[in-house]
Amino acid sequence: GAVVSQHPSWVICKSGTSVKIECRSLDFQATTMFWYRQFPKQSLMLMATSNEGSKATYEQGVEKDKFLINHASLTLSTLTVTSAHPEDSSFYICSARDPRLYGYTFGSGTRLTVV
Amino acid sequence: GNSVTQMEGPVTLSEEAFLTINCTYTATGYPSLFWYVQYPGEGLQLLLKATKADDKGSNKGFEATYRKETTSFHLEKGSVQVSDSAVYFCALGRSGGGADGLTFGKGTHLIIQP
Repeated sequence: GAVVSQHPSWVICKSGTSVKIECRSLDFQATTMFWYRQFPKQSLMLMATSNEGSKATYEQGVEKDKFLINHASLTLSTLTVTSAHPEDSSFYICSARDPRLYGYTFGSGTRLTVV
Repeated sequence: GNSVTQMEGPVTLSEEAFLTINCTYTATGYPSLFWYVQYPGEGLQLLLKATKADDKGSNKGFEATYRKETTSFHLEKGSVQVSDSAVYFCALGRSGGGADGLTFGKGTHLIIQP
C-alpha cells in the first residue's frame, strides 16, 4: 500500500515553455501532497504544500506564479513550471501521507532539464 | 526555524562493519523524526521513524532512538552489507499530525565495499 506515482520521470524542455508534472496517490486518498526540489548532491527542499480543493501553501522564497500547483482531486496533484529557464533545471519530487500510516510516501521524482 | 544536521559523506565502510550516521535537529515543539533511504536511480523510501522521545525505530537491521535531551536521532546498524550502499536522509516532521512537509538533512552517501 501507500504508492505514489509521479510522471514523467524525466523531461527536457526549451527555455520559455511550461512543463507539467503529475503526482498521483494510487491506493489511497491524499488531501495533502507536498512538492520538493532536490539539487545535485543537496537535500530536498520543501517548495509547497498542495491542498485538495484549495490554494497551495508555498514556502518562503518560492515563486507561486512560476510553480503553479493544482490539487483538483483526492488522488492527483500537478506542478506546472511556467516559462521555464535553465536555472529551473532540477529534480522535483512529490510526496503524500497515507492516513492509514504514519509516514510520508514519495514519488520516484522528475528530472527536469531546461535547455 | 526547524533544521536537521547530519554528517556529510561519503562514508565508506567494509562489509560487516558497524555503521553510525549522526543526525541532530533543531525544532520547536515535539517533532516526529524519520530516516529515509534513496538507492541509486530510485525515489526515497521510509526506513524507520519515531514519533516521541525515547522511541526506537527499527527496520532491516537499522535502528535509531529519539533522544530529546541531545536532540539527536543517530542511525546505526551492526553489520552493513554491500546492498546498504545508498544515500540516507534524516528528516523531521513539523507537526505530529503530519499535516506539514518534512525538513531534511543534506543526506549521507554510504558506500559499502566488499
